[in-house]
Amino acid sequence: DGGITQSPKYLFRKEGQNVTLSCEQNLNHDAMYWYRQDPGQGLRLIYYSQIVNDFQKGDIAEGYSVSREKKESFPLTVTSAQKNPTAFYLCASRQGPYNEQFFGPGTRLTVL
Amino acid sequence: KNEVEQSPQNLTAQEGEFITINCSYSVGISALHWLQQHPGGGIVSLFMLSSGKKKHGRLIATINIQEKHSSLHITASHPRDSAVYICAYGGSQGNLIFGKGTKLSVKP
Repeated sequence: DGGITQSPKYLFRKEGQNVTLSCEQNLNHDAMYWYRQDPGQGLRLIYYSQIVNDFQKGDIAEGYSVSREKKESFPLTVTSAQKNPTAFYLCASRQGPYNEQFFGPGTRLTVL
Repeated sequence: KNEVEQSPQNLTAQEGEFITINCSYSVGISALHWLQQHPGGGIVSLFMLSSGKKKHGRLIATINIQEKHSSLHITASHPRDSAVYICAYGGSQGNLIFGKGTKLSVKP
């Protein structure tokens, strides 16, 4: 079945460590997005990529990095520079700017 | 200031009730999205609409572009409808701009 997978579902990290969240899609979508969700707030855009080997910062990119070496993969690295990384992270993809967006199941990151 | 306002923030209903969730936005848009987020966190797209009304099963979404307002209705609500309902519109980068969501709880 076509869809988006994210792994792991739950992730625990010690302060000062970098961690990478996986996002893979087999929908053949060009555009991929990373969002962050905090309690009581709407989802906010971290990074996005509209084509392979190209990506752009979103509204809250500080402390995060991404790569887009393959069309189907868009991993997100949460670096030690991110001051408050505990959150729920959602990956999404869409074929074009006027199409619906498909979401992965999310990764809940907790910093200990 | 959030560019998408939803009301109410929380809603509790009895099974069988008719439910309305409202969404207002402040900019001109080409389409509005209604999404459903279940307790596990996964998000599913319910509707994408640019005018008028769309219906899928017991769910109805309407939009008034001139008034910058949309509503999501659930007829004959059921406990399995309990979730967070989110409205969003398309941003300039193809991303979505999200409301904070409405948490719906339907009691049997």
